[in-house]
Order: sequence, then structure tokens, then C-alpha cells
Amino acid sequence: DGGITQSPKYLFRKEGQNVTLSCEQNLNHDAMYWYRQDPGQGLRLIYYSQIVNDFQKGDIAEGYSVSREKKESFPLTVTSAQKNPTAFYLCASKPTGGNEQYFGPGTRLTVT
Amino acid sequence: EDKVVQSPLSLVVHEGDTVTLNCSYEVTNFRSLLWYKQEKKAPTFLFMLTSSGIEKKSGRLSSILDKKELFSILNITATQTGDSAIYLCAVGTGNQFYFGTGTSLTVIP
Repeated sequence: DGGITQSPKYLFRKEGQNVTLSCEQNLNHDAMYWYRQDPGQGLRLIYYSQIVNDFQKGDIAEGYSVSREKKESFPLTVTSAQKNPTAFYLCASKPTGGNEQYFGPGTRLTVT
Repeated sequence: EDKVVQSPLSLVVHEGDTVTLNCSYEVTNFRSLLWYKQEKKAPTFLFMLTSSGIEKKSGRLSSILDKKELFSILNITATQTGDSAIYLCAVGTGNQFYFGTGTSLTVIP
């Protein structure tokens, strides 16, 4: 089955801890994206990557970090520097030359 | 600054009503406009529009793009309770996608 997987579905962490969210795709897409969604709001771009070993900051990159060592994988680390980390995190990918994004199922992170 | 604005922010209708959701944008390097439906989980794709004036249709849903006036509408006819969701509009530039805040639609029986 081709698609995007995110794990875990729900994640709970204590304040001050770093946490890494997983995103894997087997669609052979070059571009991958991380978004954050807060209740009643649209999606805000955190980071995106057009190619392996390269990534760019989105609108709200502060307190987050990413890596893109493999085409299939684009993990997101939420660091302790992120002031309000509790949110729904969505990963997406897009084929080169394509105009449509495909979303993973999301990870709901709660930090207390 | 690139931006996408959706209206209304929320809408409550009765089953059987017809609704029109609006999306206006100011984005450089426009490539596509996409509509998604989101029901408490990841967004699911509805339509992608790239050309003005060509209506996309799927069952009771339809959408059209006006690239001159920089907006799109999503129509839902004969609404059902299963249409209750947040509807997101996104504009793609080739590198990035800019999302609106969404329209929350509630359909009551």
C-alpha cells in the first residue's frame, strides 16, 4: 500500500522534553512538509523539504527542527524552546512537478 | 505577503440546504488551488483547480476558480449531516502551499 504514515497517533510529553514525530512515505515523492494545526485554525507551515539533505523554514519554524537524510523520511523534533507545542501535527508530501499534496493521518501532541 | 482568506468562518445550515464557501487569495507564483475536507483528522482531497472558469464536480460538490478576480467557490447542494466538517482552501506555488483558516460547516437534521 502506498501512502504516508505518521506515528504515533497520540503523544503525551512533559514540558521541557524534546519529542520527535515520525513521517514516512513510500510514494517516491521528493517534497515533504510539516504543518501545525491549532483548534479552529487552518494549517501553518513549519518546515518543508524539496530534496534529500535540504530543507527550508516555513512560517513558524521557531522551536522546531527537521532532518531529511532519506527521501522516504522527514522527522520533526519539537524542542523545549517551542512555547506552545500542544497541537495537531500533519505531514504531507508532493510529487515533483505535481500540484497536489497528500497528507498523513496526523499526530496529536499534548505537552503538560 | 502571500495570504489565503476563507469566508464565512463558520456556517450552520439545515439538511437539504445549499451552501457556498468562499476562498480569496493573494499569492505570487500561483500554480493551483485545492479544496480539502477535514473531519477531526487529516484533510481529504476534494478538488484541484488550475484554470479559470472550468467547473470541477463530484456528486453534490462543485468548485470553480476565477484567476482574474483571485477567488474560488465551493458549492455543496442538498447538504447532509455527513457534510459537517471544516473545509480548507490552499493555494500552491510550486514550492509551498498557503492555507486559509477554513470554514466550519455544521449541517443539522
